[in-house]
Amino acid sequence: EVQLVESGGGLVQPGGSLRLSCAAYGFTVSSNFMTWVRQAPGKGLEWVSVIYVGGTTSYADSVKGRFTISRDNSKNTLYLQMTSLRSEDTAVYYCARFSRFGYYFDYWGQGILVTVSS
Amino acid sequence: DIVMTQTPLSSPVTLGQPASISCRSSQSLVHSDGNTYLSWLQQRPGQPPRLVIYKISNRLSGVPDRFIGSGAGTDFTLKISRVEAEDVGVYYCMQATQFPLTFGGGTKVEIK
Repeated sequence: EVQLVESGGGLVQPGGSLRLSCAAYGFTVSSNFMTWVRQAPGKGLEWVSVIYVGGTTSYADSVKGRFTISRDNSKNTLYLQMTSLRSEDTAVYYCARFSRFGYYFDYWGQGILVTVSS
Repeated sequence: DIVMTQTPLSSPVTLGQPASISCRSSQSLVHSDGNTYLSWLQQRPGQPPRLVIYKISNRLSGVPDRFIGSGAGTDFTLKISRVEAEDVGVYYCMQATQFPLTFGGGTKVEIK
């Protein structure tokens, strides 16, 4: 059974850093496009970042230069390193598998809350 | 970036009646490979999003056939032929023709 389990969220001060993890079960992270999508409280969905099969990455302009997506193939885990955090980064962060054949999100994690506040 | 605009913001519907959501993109979603990567996601309260339609009109296994997607180019529609209680939630259209991936603002489907 395919499952994505996020961890690492919490409260952090503005300017601080946090690393999110997404453990994958039932499939191989490195053989898939993996993404992070976030949702601010009461708001819509915003794509954050993608890592392709070959390891190339891409980011939304709002996080470029501050966030880094990566994966550990030995742990079958996806990461999002977040630095220079701002209040507007407060959101539930979802990891999601992005089908490279149909270009759609086929599996989502339950999400993890990140709160940036002093 | 491609801007996705959904209407209406809210759709109160009687159980068993149809619901329709429109989505318009700021430019054509036809990819250079000939496919149109427009999908619809459902987000029930307190849950992560879930795919209901991909490539305009395709349903993944397990999605009820009352969910019907249609459209082309820049104009797309999601229709729920007979709304059931489990269909309550927010629906988002999303384009994956080019990065950055972008979403519509969402349409809340609720029971009258």
